[in-house]
Amino acid sequence: GAGVSQTPSNKVTEKGKYVELRCDPISGHTALYWYRQSLGQGPEFLIYFQGTGAADDSGLPNDRFFAVRPEGSVSTLKIQRTERGDSAVYLCASSILAGGPNEQFFGPGTRLTVL
Amino acid sequence: AQSVTQLDSQVPVFEEAPVELRCNYSSSVSVYLFWYVQYPNQGLQLLLKYLSGSTLVKGINGFEAEFNKSQTSFHLRKPSVHISDTAEYFCAVSPRSGNTPLVFGKGTRLSVIA
Repeated sequence: GAGVSQTPSNKVTEKGKYVELRCDPISGHTALYWYRQSLGQGPEFLIYFQGTGAADDSGLPNDRFFAVRPEGSVSTLKIQRTERGDSAVYLCASSILAGGPNEQFFGPGTRLTVL
Repeated sequence: AQSVTQLDSQVPVFEEAPVELRCNYSSSVSVYLFWYVQYPNQGLQLLLKYLSGSTLVKGINGFEAEFNKSQTSFHLRKPSVHISDTAEYFCAVSPRSGNTPLVFGKGTRLSVIA
């Protein structure tokens, strides 16, 4: 079956613009995670959803970042007033259930470049 | 809180040689341990995980890792590497209780030389 997909694969924007990044999880997976991977670093947690609700958004760096998952499937990460420091690869992952032992399946990521 | 240290940012190794990628973690609670691999322009793929039981865990592509609780380590090994093993490898932990997401190390770039 299909894995986790993310669109777009690349996004170039100008400082101050608004961007949306989309994640399609594996069908039937109730947990969905967003991570950010900066150059030379490991992925860093941003937010995760259990169903439609954000169960933990402690990793969002500031209020310019917001994410939704209105129907418990597709999720959108939204970044307002982008800054050059937001440039990174944004990774999405899903798992059957939330919690440590449940394998997280990752998408290929969206590479965001803010000029 | 948890943290993961991958001691080597880059590891070059000749084809068919053995390799060990080191991972140490810090946590005040018991954790699950994972190794992920990231091939160029691809998403992270789970290599192996330690949940409980035997401390020696075997994963895909001939990799294995050993959990050492006293040394808080989870080193990844392969007895004979191939060119196709060239990739970025990430160690990660997750607390056993609650639903806290993965905490990753900074990664180790394995370069296999022909």
